[in-house]
Amino acid sequence: DQQVKQNSPSLSVQEGRISILNCDYTNSMFDYFLWYKKYPAEGPTFLISISSIKDKNEDGRFTVFLNKSAKHLSLHIVPSQPGDSAVYFCAASTSGGGADGLTFGKGTHLIIQP
Amino acid sequence: DAGVIQSPRHEVTEMGQEVTLRCKPISGHNSLFWYRQTMMRGLELLIYFNNNVPIDDSGMPEDRFSAKMPNASFSTLKIQPSEPRDSAVYFCASSLAGWDGGYTFGSGTRLTVV
Repeated sequence: DQQVKQNSPSLSVQEGRISILNCDYTNSMFDYFLWYKKYPAEGPTFLISISSIKDKNEDGRFTVFLNKSAKHLSLHIVPSQPGDSAVYFCAASTSGGGADGLTFGKGTHLIIQP
Repeated sequence: DAGVIQSPRHEVTEMGQEVTLRCKPISGHNSLFWYRQTMMRGLELLIYFNNNVPIDDSGMPEDRFSAKMPNASFSTLKIQPSEPRDSAVYFCASSLAGWDGGYTFGSGTRLTVV
């Protein structure tokens, strides 16, 4: 049973436009959410996170929104750049971002078209 | 900082052979995680350690899999005997418990069992 779901395996966006990646979760015990970015032949790299006490966190071009009642979060990238082409993983934790294991979604392959 | 170092980067072995994957976490990090990535199941947590002690190994698929962390700077994941269905990319990650920046992943070991 997948507790973290990314229902779009891929997403194509034009350069300069907004990219919106979605993630749903089923475990109401999750209290911390993260997004990771992965290039081919590399490990995932941490992008941005949000605690369940917040509904928005922003870092430069990246903003994560959390809707706890809907058990939904999204990552907005604006403006999208060619270097943003990668696989994006949504992850969740029941105990903060460090000590315990993260549960990952299967990822969304974002393709930024020139 | 050299990051999380995994070796080997690629491993091809015959079914039935023993395989040992190695990981050196970031100095000062006190949590270490082993993940496996496959197309079907995405990123799965296999086992994690806090302060060199295994905390949760419920993700280890079978008794053929074992992991050790003899000290704070080294961990191994062993598969004995290996099977073709073990073919995957295995990632090691480390973190500092209590920090909200998520994990740092290694570049992974691509294992192919023929």
